[in-house]
Amino acid sequence: GDSVTQMEGPVTLSEEAFLTINCTYTATGYPSLFWYVQYPGEGLQLLLKATKADDKGSNKGFEATYRKETTSFHLEKGSVQVSDSAVYFCALSLDQTGANNLFFGTGTRLTVIP
Amino acid sequence: EPEVTQTPSHQVTQMGQEVILRCVPISNHLYFYWYRQILGQKVEFLVSFYNNEISEKSEIFDDQFSVERPDGSNFTLKIRSTKLEDSAMYFCASSDPGASSYEQYFGPGTRLTVT
Repeated sequence: GDSVTQMEGPVTLSEEAFLTINCTYTATGYPSLFWYVQYPGEGLQLLLKATKADDKGSNKGFEATYRKETTSFHLEKGSVQVSDSAVYFCALSLDQTGANNLFFGTGTRLTVIP
Repeated sequence: EPEVTQTPSHQVTQMGQEVILRCVPISNHLYFYWYRQILGQKVEFLVSFYNNEISEKSEIFDDQFSVERPDGSNFTLKIRSTKLEDSAMYFCASSDPGASSYEQYFGPGTRLTVT
């Protein structure tokens, strides 16, 4: 079935370190891919998205490239900040309109220490 | 900025009791969703709702679950007879299918603890 597998956490990094959170997917058809972030006490927020192969989503210094050949959508940031501490969720949708349900990974908790 | 709100933030109930989780979606959105996350597991889709009816539901969403939009603003999830395994964080979301961003906007969640 359709699913997302993402790197187990938690991840602890020092400020200004490089971040990678791995995400791979299994899907029929051509899914849209997303990274959502959840800051403490808040709901999930869309961080970035890509809707077709080779698209790169980017936002707030984070990037992820839709790799159809490796069925991956790894999240990267060159220099993390303390304010990036949150839980990150990789997700896919089979519906290009976004009206369809999302399939999520388990989430990866990132803690950035000064 | 508009946001999805959920109440209560934490609900404790005894096994077999009925609970109603409440959500206020963003006012101009047309699609509404419930997801849940059991501790340490994936966020799982439960149900989507459009035009006053269920548009899609997962295997998890069995007869003990129901959803309702009782008025123009609230969207509720009812669990008729709670089980221990219903303990989870429940997230409500809404989306505007006419928008180009494909984004679902999530609330902060309700933590349900069944004892």
